[in-house]
Amino acid sequence: DAGVTQSPTHLIKTRGQQVTLRCSPKSGHDTVSWYQQALGQGPQFIFQYYEEEERQRGNFPDRFSGHQFPNYSSELNVNALLLGDSALYLCASSFWGNDEKLFFGSGTQLSVL
Amino acid sequence: AQKITQTQPGMFVQEKEAVTLDCTYDTSDQSYGLFWYKQPSSGEMIFLIYQGSYDEQNATEGRYSLNFQKARKSANLVISASQLGDSAMYFCANEGRDDKIIFGKGTRLHILP
Repeated sequence: DAGVTQSPTHLIKTRGQQVTLRCSPKSGHDTVSWYQQALGQGPQFIFQYYEEEERQRGNFPDRFSGHQFPNYSSELNVNALLLGDSALYLCASSFWGNDEKLFFGSGTQLSVL
Repeated sequence: AQKITQTQPGMFVQEKEAVTLDCTYDTSDQSYGLFWYKQPSSGEMIFLIYQGSYDEQNATEGRYSLNFQKARKSANLVISASQLGDSAMYFCANEGRDDKIIFGKGTRLHILP
């Protein structure tokens, strides 16, 4: 039973570029949430997707957008990258309405130069 | 708004001793959930334990227990008989009515041989 998988594991971009991160949820899960974790900080909630729609959103600018596909996988897109976007981006999956046990992937480490 | 406070940035504990990691939370929701996650150096967030606000008994999962004191708004994690593999970052988190999960800044636990 595959857990949450994220790709790529590491990514280096320059300011102003755009990036797409990918996540496949744990088998059977239908909800995907994205978190940004800056160095030395706890994860910060970006947004949550269910039934291919954004259901909840944290305090992130519109440069951060996402998508969920019919197979429940998800993408996180960040436009016009800033140096401050450098962080570990974590994807978590769960059953809709049951967040008692979020399952996280190992994350994508994004470095913006 | 939800807020999680973890006042111990780092802790050193001798192997086989019990350790308590502190967590206080602030929420106006009547119904909420509290979580603890472990994050080893690999980056993946590992679910440890969950406590619902209406659960009358403290949650336990193997060597982990959650000391839930609702009136004090505290949800401390207790690890019994610590092991070298327990060395990691530990995050306390709160889920409110809006289903957003908010994390604290974490505590880095070092288990000494």
